Amino acid sequence: DQQVKQNSPSLSVQEGRISILNCDYTNSMFDYFLWYKKYPAEGPTFLISISSIKDKNEDGRFTVFLNKSAKHLSLHIVPSQPGDSAVYFCAASVSTGANNLFFGTGTRLTVIP
Amino acid sequence: EAGVAQSPRYKIIEKRQSVAFWCNPISGHATLYWYQQILGQGPKLLIQFQNNGVVDDSQLPKDRFSAERLKGVDSTLKIQPAKLEDSAVYLCASSLVAGRQYFGPGTRLTVL
Repeated sequence: DQQVKQNSPSLSVQEGRISILNCDYTNSMFDYFLWYKKYPAEGPTFLISISSIKDKNEDGRFTVFLNKSAKHLSLHIVPSQPGDSAVYFCAASVSTGANNLFFGTGTRLTVIP
Repeated sequence: EAGVAQSPRYKIIEKRQSVAFWCNPISGHATLYWYQQILGQGPKLLIQFQNNGVVDDSQLPKDRFSAERLKGVDSTLKIQPAKLEDSAVYLCASSLVAGRQYFGPGTRLTVL
């Protein structure tokens, strides 16, 4: 049973525009959410996180929004750059310790120069 | 600061053979994780260690998979015997007792 879902396997965006990646979850016990970025032949690297006590967290060009009632979160990248082209994984945990992460299936973002 | 190291990076074996993967976590990280990532899916936790004790191995297929963490530092994950469906990338990650996980580059296993 996939508890974290990323329904868009791929997304293409022009350089300079906004990229919006979406993630849905089913387990209401999740209270900590993370986005990881993965380049080919490398392991995932942490990008940004959000606790369930917040509805928005921003770090430079990256902003994560959380809608607890809809069990939905999204990652906004503004402006998108070619170097942002990668696979993005949404992950969730039942604690801010983030020890047991449940990952989505990933969205491949391509930023077109 | 050195990251999480894994070896080998690639491995090709035939079904029913055995294989072992090695992971060296970031120095000082008490918690170590092994994940399996099948093509087209997200990483799935196989086992979590804290120091040299197992915290969670509920997703580990114990009839063929085993893992150990020697002296609370390095770890090995073994598959014996391998099946075709074990073809995947095996990721090792480490963290402080609680907190952000740092991933290694992974080992890509192909079972023929």
